[in-house]
Amino acid sequence: SQQGEEDPQALSIQEGENATMNCSYKTSINNLQWYRQNSGRGLVHLILIRSNEREKHSGRLRVTLDTSKKSSSLLITASRAADTASYFCATGGPSNTGKLIFGQGTTLQVKP
Amino acid sequence: DAGITQSPRHKVTETGTPVTLRCHQTENHRYMYWYRQDPGHGLRLIHYSYGVKDTDKGEVSDGYSVSRSKTEDFLLTLESATSSQTSVYFCAISGFEPDGGHQPQHFGDGTRLSIL
Repeated sequence: SQQGEEDPQALSIQEGENATMNCSYKTSINNLQWYRQNSGRGLVHLILIRSNEREKHSGRLRVTLDTSKKSSSLLITASRAADTASYFCATGGPSNTGKLIFGQGTTLQVKP
Repeated sequence: DAGITQSPRHKVTETGTPVTLRCHQTENHRYMYWYRQDPGHGLRLIHYSYGVKDTDKGEVSDGYSVSRSKTEDFLLTLESATSSQTSVYFCAISGFEPDGGHQPQHFGDGTRLSIL
């Protein structure tokens, strides 16, 4: 079973606009991670936020985590055509196995 | 990427035949994972390994077996392939941070498996 849901399932924006994706999860977590997947390729790690953190930045990426609502959001600012991809959130549980549970993903299209 | 290679990249086979997918890493990471990716389901964990000869089941392990006889190789076997196992299979690896926590996972580029 999936840990949670991502919203929206698909998002289409113009270059230069901001893109926001949301992720909800169900169980206790140790961390939450965001990954990007370009068509036909494997997933690439973007950013990790630990359960005791509320916000994290990396370049044009901003991630927030609200453990009380069991939700996270990924904001991509000033989007570019190269940001077109699928984005997945993944939660790491309290046990130290490194296992992740992935959401179903958001497909982002950035139009030039 | 991150020294991880999956083979083959594409395979078409018939129902009932055995299939083995290989994941090879050059990072000397202890943890290795096999996922399948299907439309509407995201990635689901099949099996994972936390060391040589140490493996455990994931969320969707039925119909799959794995083996890890050396650090760098993690094999996924479908003993008797079924059409429901048509999917894209991804291998991932992870190491440890200095504080003992897991590093983010690094993924191979996947194997597209079609079972007719």
